[in-house]
Amino acid sequence: GAVVSQHPSRVICKSGTSVKIECRSLDFQATTMFWYRQFPKQSLMLMATSNEGSKATYEQGVEKDKFLINHASLTLSTLTVTSAHPEDSSFYICSVKTSGWTDTQYFGPGTRLTVL
Amino acid sequence: DAKTTQPPSMDCAEGRAANLPCNHSTISGNEYVYWYRQIHSQGPQYIIHGLKNNETNEMASLIITEDRKSSTLILPHATLRDTAVYYCIVRVASNTGNQFYFGTGTSLTVIP
Repeated sequence: GAVVSQHPSRVICKSGTSVKIECRSLDFQATTMFWYRQFPKQSLMLMATSNEGSKATYEQGVEKDKFLINHASLTLSTLTVTSAHPEDSSFYICSVKTSGWTDTQYFGPGTRLTVL
Repeated sequence: DAKTTQPPSMDCAEGRAANLPCNHSTISGNEYVYWYRQIHSQGPQYIIHGLKNNETNEMASLIITEDRKSSTLILPHATLRDTAVYYCIVRVASNTGNQFYFGTGTSLTVIP
């Protein structure tokens, strides 16, 4: 399967600042990546679908101006949490969708964001 | 929204088979069933997927009922490292990317 990395693995920031999280597909050119977030003891919630070279598609209830997604290349997608607040503290996970009949998603290791 | 239901938790003795059920009664004819697992504070790991035939790989077996309304993931010889939350997902086909919507999953505990 595809190998996916995320950077940073952990980040702590002050309220009101912006944080950028990178998602890289290391061995596969991904036209589609996904961003999820996971609160403690809860399941993964899909935030947005990121397609290379076009605007991301956001799930209902996810603010596109707060969670900026850029998928400028086939190996990199970034999620920027703008003006972060403590309620944005969460585990953010990206995935890469492989093409073909399998259409499988391979996930990154996640980024733990803590907003003070 | 998730289209699957799973029991919240299960225990399994080490070395025995773990059978994890999943209901997906509203599945459409062209929707695949995927299984992932998540060990604490890590990204989900792909296990297996199928459409209507039973599937087997080095990690597990997937048994899908003939009417496709339910499936069972089988870990043939559970080890302590198989303790994780297991998610059954029905892939939703769309023109923007075939999204996954995670349900609450089953927390499997393998007991020594």
